[in-house]
Amino acid sequence: GQQLNQSPQSMFIQEGEDVSMNCTSSSIFNTWLWYKQDPGEGPVLLIALYKAGELTSNGRLTAQFGITRKDSFLNISASIPSDVGIYFCAGQLGGTYKYIFGTGTRLKVLA
Amino acid sequence: EPEVTQTPSHQVTQMGQEVILRCVPISNHLYFYWYRQILGQKVEFLVSFYNNEISEKSEIFDDQFSVERPDGSNFTLKIRSTKLEDSAMYFCASSVGYRVEYTFGSGTRLTVV
Repeated sequence: GQQLNQSPQSMFIQEGEDVSMNCTSSSIFNTWLWYKQDPGEGPVLLIALYKAGELTSNGRLTAQFGITRKDSFLNISASIPSDVGIYFCAGQLGGTYKYIFGTGTRLKVLA
Repeated sequence: EPEVTQTPSHQVTQMGQEVILRCVPISNHLYFYWYRQILGQKVEFLVSFYNNEISEKSEIFDDQFSVERPDGSNFTLKIRSTKLEDSAMYFCASSVGYRVEYTFGSGTRLTVV
């Protein structure tokens, strides 16, 4: 089946640093979503992307829908301790209702 | 802010027993979904439901699984005869359309012993 490769798998960063993570696939997606998941909780939507090339910000978060429609990235600027968690990308293929989730990036912020 | 509500938050069941996981989607949403997440792994699609019928399902969603919208507010996932490998977090989600973002519930942790 379709796979979304998300990298890095995990990262430790210092508070105040910027963070980048991305998702890539061999498939073409119509929609990209980025979610954050805290332990024991459900995923919480951060950013939704609907068009190739689209660049969208939500506070300190910026995400882009890759021009080839096969990738997306998420940047977090000036990280803070509460940014700790697992970040998932999710892509929706054309003609389907489901989203395919990436493998997740576990972020740890050192104060 | 509207929420998707799931109950119970944690359920422990014996292997072979039936379980029903319950969800109350956001009231004006039309599309409903179940996903699961085995501990430490990614979120996996199980099924989508629209207009009182299954619109799409994954290979995980076999004959042991069923979904129902018994009234205007609840959306349930039934596992007929649970197996150890069914232990996971089960997330319900809903959306206003199918090519838009989902809102997820907080999940039900199912433990099969």
